[in-house]
Amino acid sequence: DTEVTQTPKHLVMGMTNKKSLKCEQHMGHRAMYWYKQKAKKPPELMFVYSYEKLSINESVPSRFSPECPNSSLLNLHLHALQPEDSALYLCASSQAPPEGQFFGPGTRLTVL
Amino acid sequence: EDQVTQSPEALRLQEGESSSLNCSYTVSGLRGLFWYRQDPGKGPEFLFTLYSAGEEKEKERLKATLTKKVSFLHITAPKPEDSATYLCAVASGGSYIPTFGRGTSLIVHP
Repeated sequence: DTEVTQTPKHLVMGMTNKKSLKCEQHMGHRAMYWYKQKAKKPPELMFVYSYEKLSINESVPSRFSPECPNSSLLNLHLHALQPEDSALYLCASSQAPPEGQFFGPGTRLTVL
Repeated sequence: EDQVTQSPEALRLQEGESSSLNCSYTVSGLRGLFWYRQDPGKGPEFLFTLYSAGEEKEKERLKATLTKKVSFLHITAPKPEDSATYLCAVASGGSYIPTFGRGTSLIVHP
């Protein structure tokens, strides 16, 4: 299985809602990542988990909260988001940094 | 600080017209250079990893090469289905997290 899955595919939420994005991989990769991507821009790194421990947090606002329940799963908890947080949220995994990353299809998030 | 510059920003080709995309990079100790393909609204698709100057990798109509300052993605006899944004990223000894370039948007006309 060489696939990274993400749910949901689309999410619309209000500024007071709490929601979660989910990511799963079964390639035995030990590094997992969250990226944010705006239109016509490259992916922007948010968080890195290495061996299930948070190793990098790129100064992301606390309204984004990552969680890695086990080596195959990665969640991103969302709370009190702003309209400017609307973007494509991508999950990726790799054997270990800096190996090539396998990306999921993304979650298109719209914050009203 | 790692820097990645991709050119051209956009490229239009006729079907069958071969060309190359450029990825210039500045890093302190290259650990890996990566090429990805991204279709609109989808996640990037991993294509290649190159580790050292002189290395080459091929996949169907795509061939990636690496020198000490530039990587080229050669597209031979492209087809309309090759239309996508191609992203280049580098990881260095200073930071093992890849730095992405802004991408090259490729459109292949039938």
